[in-house]
Amino acid sequence: AQKITQTQPGMFVQEKEAVTLDCTYDTSDQSYGLFWYKQPSSGEMIFLIYQGSYDEQNATEGRYSLNFQKARKSANLVISASQLGDSAMYFCAMREGQMDSSYKLIFGSGTRLLVRP
Amino acid sequence: NAGVTQTPKFQVLKTGQSMTLQCAQDMNHEYMSWYRQDPGMGLRLIHYSVGAGITDQGEVPNGYNVSRSTTEDFPLRLLSAAPSQTSVYFCASSFSRGSNQPQHFGDGTRLSIL
Repeated sequence: AQKITQTQPGMFVQEKEAVTLDCTYDTSDQSYGLFWYKQPSSGEMIFLIYQGSYDEQNATEGRYSLNFQKARKSANLVISASQLGDSAMYFCAMREGQMDSSYKLIFGSGTRLLVRP
Repeated sequence: NAGVTQTPKFQVLKTGQSMTLQCAQDMNHEYMSWYRQDPGMGLRLIHYSVGAGITDQGEVPNGYNVSRSTTEDFPLRLLSAAPSQTSVYFCASSFSRGSNQPQHFGDGTRLSIL
């Protein structure tokens, strides 16, 4: 069965430094998508970045980039130049396939990031 | 642009009571879903819908009902509330075409069952 694993329950990073949040996934499907969401203390879920299984380039969105290693089944989120506002919970999620039923997301347990001034 | 709107934001129920969590989106998304988030866990899918009149079960459907009579609305019904259903509930929606479509989430409903 598909599964998302985030092994870092909590992390600290110094302001202005880069940080990598780990995500590994398990799927037998060749077609899938990987998403990262941010959940600040206010509780809303904010979409950050997407990587498709057939994408040859690593995804980037501003200060966010995704280190996608398909053979290792990992999709780590890299945040460059951390800011205090980056302190939040971060979730990795996966969607398998292309059929209608595949629009379900499977979430990892999350990583709480704290940015130190 | 309202996006995904959930009501209420907070609710306290007694065991055995029933209630409906409302979810509405104004983005003309075909796909809508309900998740619950418990402490220390990621979101788990309760029910989802790929269009009006079509619903299906997710990972944790027991104790919940849904219906989708319009594209915009996707209410979640708790039939007989139990303390195990204390959680934060999120509604999400997305376009169904294109595997790269992110799901857009509402702000959540914090539900406590006494």
